[in-house]
Amino acid sequence: AQRVTQPEKLLSVFKGAPVELKCNYSYSGSPELFWYVQYSRQRLQLLLRHISRESIKGFTADLNKGETSFHLKKPFAQEEDSAMYYCALSGQGIAQKLVFGQGTRLTINP
Amino acid sequence: NAGVMQNPRHLVRRRGQEARLRCSPMKGHSHVYWYRQLPEEGLKFMVYLQKENIIDESGMPKERFSAEFPKEGPSILRIQQVVRGDSAAYFCASSPRTSAYEQYFGPGTRLTVT
Repeated sequence: AQRVTQPEKLLSVFKGAPVELKCNYSYSGSPELFWYVQYSRQRLQLLLRHISRESIKGFTADLNKGETSFHLKKPFAQEEDSAMYYCALSGQGIAQKLVFGQGTRLTINP
Repeated sequence: NAGVMQNPRHLVRRRGQEARLRCSPMKGHSHVYWYRQLPEEGLKFMVYLQKENIIDESGMPKERFSAEFPKEGPSILRIQQVVRGDSAAYFCASSPRTSAYEQYFGPGTRLTVT
């Protein structure tokens, strides 16, 4: 079964502190992993994907196949990072549909 | 490019009524995905359509729900005889091709069943 788990519904850190949003997945095969972000009053948008291995807005995420994890990290949080973050995977099916985790609401305190 | 449009943004229906949710894809996109988000949960896939074809409806409830994407006009998600459990946010995403990472999401329609 395909499943994405984000164990923290809420995460609060201070500005300038490191941030790590956890994501674990279950999939029998080689999924593609993503992080999506939804800022207040904005649409859900793609933040990054594991294949591109790039840093977006200071965020990085490494796929760990042994631990089936794809945690999102940023060394120094900024207030504008406050948002809802969703981890998602896509398998090799015909539709390329996304399977989302429950989401983590990140709040950066000044 | 105005992005993916969904209307209405908010819809209130009484139990037993029909709900019609519309999704206009981005210009040049001929693929549409529908997702549902129940309270306190993540988005869950419902159906994937290309123009005039349903490609994957594995996430659609077997009864009362249907979707279409005609040659002209928006994609429609139709829920007949709504029940309280249908209250949710419904998101559509459009894509230029079958693609996981090229899905561009609309603002969603929040359906409330009273």
